[in-house]
Amino acid sequence: DAGVIQSPRHEVTEMGQEVTLRCKPISGHDYLFWYRQTMMRGLELLIYFNNNVPIDDSGMPEDRFSAKMPNASFSTLKIQPSEPRDSAVYFCASSLTVLSLYEQYFGPGTRLTVT
Amino acid sequence: SQKIEQNSEALNIQEGKTATLTCNYTNYSPAYLQWYRQDPGRGPVFLLLIRENEKEKRKERLKVTFDTTLKQSLFHITASQPADSATYLCALGGGGYNKLIFGAGTRLAVHP
Repeated sequence: DAGVIQSPRHEVTEMGQEVTLRCKPISGHDYLFWYRQTMMRGLELLIYFNNNVPIDDSGMPEDRFSAKMPNASFSTLKIQPSEPRDSAVYFCASSLTVLSLYEQYFGPGTRLTVT
Repeated sequence: SQKIEQNSEALNIQEGKTATLTCNYTNYSPAYLQWYRQDPGRGPVFLLLIRENEKEKRKERLKVTFDTTLKQSLFHITASQPADSATYLCALGGGGYNKLIFGAGTRLAVHP
């Protein structure tokens, strides 16, 4: 398996623009997580899905952020409109179970810069 | 709210020595604790998981301890090598929380 795949790897956009980040989890994994990593706040969970259904979105910072998982092999994280404070590395991860019994497999991340 | 503390300063050690990283937590009773390694420009990679009823876990040159009384986990790398240089993250889960909460990480630099 190729592991978790994320695209794009780098994204530079201007404030106010819409940004869409994409993720393909490992086949057979039922859970998908979106994280954001910054120097100030570390690695923060934004939202996670179980069998394509959003379970906990309490980490989504505000209404400008939305995430979807239309099928088991694809998820998107959208920011509209983007702001400079959204600049961070966004990771997607997948796992067999959310109960921490199994490790999470992280993608390479998308480095987002909003100017 | 839960708080996880890892040494914010980088740990510099000489090759061949044992590196010891600390993860302390408060306001939380996790059922599991995991350690991840993160290299620059890459996502975290899982290393070890230890449960609350386990005192110690080993994997090759790695050893993790979990003291629920002290609310602390220690992560040891024996016979360290320059290739072990990376940031190491601890993550807590379970105990009523169906998600992992990550520490900020400690950067380890192993010098030849």
